[in-house]
Amino acid sequence: EDQVTQSPEALRLQEGESSSLNCSYTVSGLRGLFWYRQDPGKGPEFLFTLYSAGEEKEKERLKATLTKKESFLHITAPKPEDSATYLCAGISSNTGKLIFGQGTTLQVKP
Amino acid sequence: DAGVIQSPRHEVTEMGQEVTLRCKPISGHDYLFWYRQTMMRGLELLIYFNNNVPIDDSGMPEDRFSAKMPNASFSTLKIQPSEPRDSAVYFCASSLLSTEAFFGQGTRLTVV
Repeated sequence: EDQVTQSPEALRLQEGESSSLNCSYTVSGLRGLFWYRQDPGKGPEFLFTLYSAGEEKEKERLKATLTKKESFLHITAPKPEDSATYLCAGISSNTGKLIFGQGTTLQVKP
Repeated sequence: DAGVIQSPRHEVTEMGQEVTLRCKPISGHDYLFWYRQTMMRGLELLIYFNNNVPIDDSGMPEDRFSAKMPNASFSTLKIQPSEPRDSAVYFCASSLLSTEAFFGQGTRLTVV
């Protein structure tokens, strides 16, 4: 069964303290691995798509990487406005199903 | 494009009543997904469509839930009869050719 698992569930950082979020996946025929950001009361907002192992994408303080078994979202020198829940999702080329992990809730304190 | 549009944004209903949630996907997108989000279970995929055809409804919790997509620009998720445990935020998302999906703002459903 296709599955996406994220860790940790919650992460508290001081402003400027870099860290990484993990996403492990077992998705049959992975077509793409996606990262989303979700703020309270809103829908998930698309951040990145990764298609193949070794691929990296960057946007401001965020960098996403992909291996054959997991993906990482690296946050460099975070700011309080980076506080949100970050969701990872995989889509199967066999089924077209888009499966989400449980998310990591990030809190960045000033 | 205005993005994925869901209505209503909030719905409060009494147990046993019928509830209909609506979604307008992004024009030109060929996939449409319905998700339910709760604190306990996160984002659960309920059903998804490709070119208006339901592909997988294995995530629909019970026969009380049904979804339709009569055309490429409209989909509904219906719960009949509704129960308190159906209280959650329901999201609709659309994508093109199984690439990144874009989400609506969600419908917060409360069943009392």
